[in-house]
Amino acid sequence: KNQVEQSPQSLIILEGKNCTLQCNYTVSPFSNLRWYKQDTGRGPVSLTIMTFSENTKSNGRYTATLDADTKQSSLHITASQLSDSASYICVVSDRGSTLGRLYFGRGTQLTVWP
Amino acid sequence: EADIYQTPRYLVIGTGKKITLECSQTMGHDKMYWYQQDPGMELHLIHYSYGVNSTEKGDLSSESTVSRIRTEHFPLTLESARPSHTSQYLCASSEELAQTYNEQFFGPGTRLTVL
Repeated sequence: KNQVEQSPQSLIILEGKNCTLQCNYTVSPFSNLRWYKQDTGRGPVSLTIMTFSENTKSNGRYTATLDADTKQSSLHITASQLSDSASYICVVSDRGSTLGRLYFGRGTQLTVWP
Repeated sequence: EADIYQTPRYLVIGTGKKITLECSQTMGHDKMYWYQQDPGMELHLIHYSYGVNSTEKGDLSSESTVSRIRTEHFPLTLESARPSHTSQYLCASSEELAQTYNEQFFGPGTRLTVL
């Protein structure tokens, strides 16, 4: 069964600290993996997209890694800011269907305190 | 920020009413999608469209219907709203199929509450 599991479910950190969010998936055949940021009451906004051949990608203070062998990804946030408080969603796409099905994790709810 | 819009942003309505959630995008994308999301849960695909006059049901069974008469417009309709329809509805679009590198751009969502 194709699944995307994220951990932790929620995380509280102090402003300025770093954190790492985890994503494990069983989606096969794999096409790409995306990390989205979703603010409360808003739609998700893409942070990074990685294909099978990419093992790291950065977007400002956000750095995503991908290990396609172990089917694991992480999102590292450096020097957190209050505006980083949001849900971070890991999304994996397969290439086994015409549509290119997206499998969504439930997200990690990050809260940054001053 | 992506040029994809949803109205209304919030809707509270009584049981049995007919509602239409609007979604429009100005990016000229052929592919459009509707997702349903409950608090703390993952997004579920309920409808998608490859282009004008093309609509398909997604993975999650939904009593809603959609239409695609114009490229930029993808409205979702509930003929008779019920409390079980209470959820957040997210519209998205992409230039190519989701399986390719091109990403999906999401609208801000409509928070629907059926009393």
